[in-house]
Amino acid sequence: SQQGEEDPQALSIQEGENATMNCSYKTSINNLQWYRQNSGRGLVHLILIRSNEREKHSGRLRVTLDTSKKSSSLLITASRAADTASYFCATDVSNDYKLSFGAGTTVTVRA
Amino acid sequence: DAGVIQSPRHEVTEMGQEVTLRCKPISGHDYLFWYRQTMMRGLELLIYFNNNVPIDDSGMPEDRFSAKMPNASFSTLKIQPSEPRDSAVYFCASLQGPNEKLFFGSGTQLSVL
Repeated sequence: SQQGEEDPQALSIQEGENATMNCSYKTSINNLQWYRQNSGRGLVHLILIRSNEREKHSGRLRVTLDTSKKSSSLLITASRAADTASYFCATDVSNDYKLSFGAGTTVTVRA
Repeated sequence: DAGVIQSPRHEVTEMGQEVTLRCKPISGHDYLFWYRQTMMRGLELLIYFNNNVPIDDSGMPEDRFSAKMPNASFSTLKIQPSEPRDSAVYFCASLQGPNEKLFFGSGTQLSVL
């Protein structure tokens, strides 16, 4: 069963705009990770945030984590056409490297 | 580094046939994972290995599925006999503990007719 659920399922934005997607999960976690998947390719790790962290940045990515609400958000600033992809959150519940992935948010960036 | 290498890239087979998917993890990585991705069920963890030893196979759907890791540089996922509902993209991924970052292969698109 999926631990994380992303919202929205799909997002279409203009190049240069920001894209925000959310992930909600059901049980306490050790860490939460975000991955990107381009069409027909494998997933690529973007960023990891631990349960005792509230915010992390990596380039144009900003991730927040609210453990009281069991939710996380991924913000992509100044989006580019190359950001068109599906984005997945993944949770590590038992600190054993087993990740449970959400259903993903499909982001389309229009030129 | 070439990354995680999976073969074949695409596999089309008929119901009842045996299918073998192959994976070469990144050198030095001590964990290997097999995931399955479908539209209906998303990404599901099937089985994972640590130092070539299966740790958790609770995600393997049926006895028709089996996985082996005879050495640190090679793993197989076998389906025998295959069924149409096994059609999916199968991903292999690896990581080097204690770094939690997973590296995925490009996947095998399996179609069972």
